[in-house]
Formats: sequence, C-alpha cells, structure tokens
Amino acid sequence: SQELEQSPQSLIVQEGKNLTINCTSSKTLYGLYWYKQKYGEGLIFLMMLQKGGEEKSHEKITAKLDEKKQQSSLHITASQPSHAGIYLCGADIGMNRDDKIIFGKGTRLHILP
Amino acid sequence: KAGVTQTPRYLIKTRGQQVTLSCSPISGHRSVSWYQQTPGQGLQFLFEYFSETQRNKGNFPGRFSGRQFSNSRSEMNVSTLELGDSALYLCASSALGPGTGTQYFGPGTRLLVL
Repeated sequence: SQELEQSPQSLIVQEGKNLTINCTSSKTLYGLYWYKQKYGEGLIFLMMLQKGGEEKSHEKITAKLDEKKQQSSLHITASQPSHAGIYLCGADIGMNRDDKIIFGKGTRLHILP
Repeated sequence: KAGVTQTPRYLIKTRGQQVTLSCSPISGHRSVSWYQQTPGQGLQFLFEYFSETQRNKGNFPGRFSGRQFSNSRSEMNVSTLELGDSALYLCASSALGPGTGTQYFGPGTRLLVL
C-alpha cells in the first residue's frame, strides 16, 4: 500500500469555493512538505511543517500538521483559477542516512470559472 | 538572483546508453536534491548532495549516481539506460537541505529512452 496517501485524487471546484486536500502517512513523520505543480512544469515549494499542530499560510493556502494522526491538510480559501494544478505532499519518514523521502501521488485540482 | 537551471531540457537516448544531467543551484545554496517523476510511480527521491557529499539517497539501483562539485553544481548519471528510466528529472536547491527550508526547483530534464 502507498506510504503517503493523498485524498482526493482529483477535485473540481467552483471558483470562490473553499477546498481541502489531505495527506496521510503510514509512517512516523519527521517533516511534511507541500508542493504545487502546473501541468507539465516544475514544482513549486509551498511550505514545510515539522511540529505537531504547526500551521502555516501562504497567501490563501493554509496547511496544518496533525502529528498524532500522521496527517496534514491543505486548505485553500476562496479558490481562484491560479490555484489550479497538481498538489503534492512529501514527507521525511526516517532519521538515518538512507532514510526515505517519499511523496504522495498528487491531487489534481481544477477550478471552474 | 538566477534560479535553478538544468541542462539539457530534453534528451533522447537508446537503451544501454548512459546519460549525464546537470543542475546549477541558486548561488549560495549548498544542497542539491534530485528527483524522478513518472506517470506511473509519481515523484521519487533519488539523492541529496550537500557540500560535495551525498547525504541522503532513495531506493534506486546503483545505475543512478551523482556528484556535486565545489561550486555546488551537481550532475546525475544514469548508466545502462532502460526504457523505464524515461522520466522528468528534477533537481532542487536549498541553502541547507530539503528539511530545513524552502526548496527551489529547476524546470527539469525530460529524458526519453527508446
């Protein structure tokens, strides 16, 4: 099974609506990252969360880390067409040199005008 | 400040050949990480270099190797190419490492193995 599960896999929302994307790890989290990728382009780093309960915001995007649930949620308020793209979560799940940095499969977000 | 640059942007190779990709980080950044992105496997971490030393690596075969030079520029090499190596290869630079702050990604190198 996938070590880092993202849900939903895809999302279509009306412009102006709020939305939430979730990322759940089956392993202990030592760091959780959110990225955005425009179709066919490189990644944009959004934010990094490292402490349980930590919440960060970037413009209208807010992410929170629930360390106990090993889960992070990304919330977009009043969505705009510019928010469309693929959102990826990544995580550090180990402390050793050969630890693994893993990624979810991504959530495709479409914004309807 | 110039962003992260990757060369070449596109590459076509045949099975069995080898390939070298290059990544120039943002000036002053000492950490360079490499990632492979495919439709099937998604984004996967290859390795991270910091001050010319490999600090972390993912679960990839030994055909995938890398190095970092004293100016922080990094190269990634794939030997004996396989069809499954076709992918978008991304590098990211950061000041101290992927777990310490913002990472800046390059546009990627699209590799097609025929």
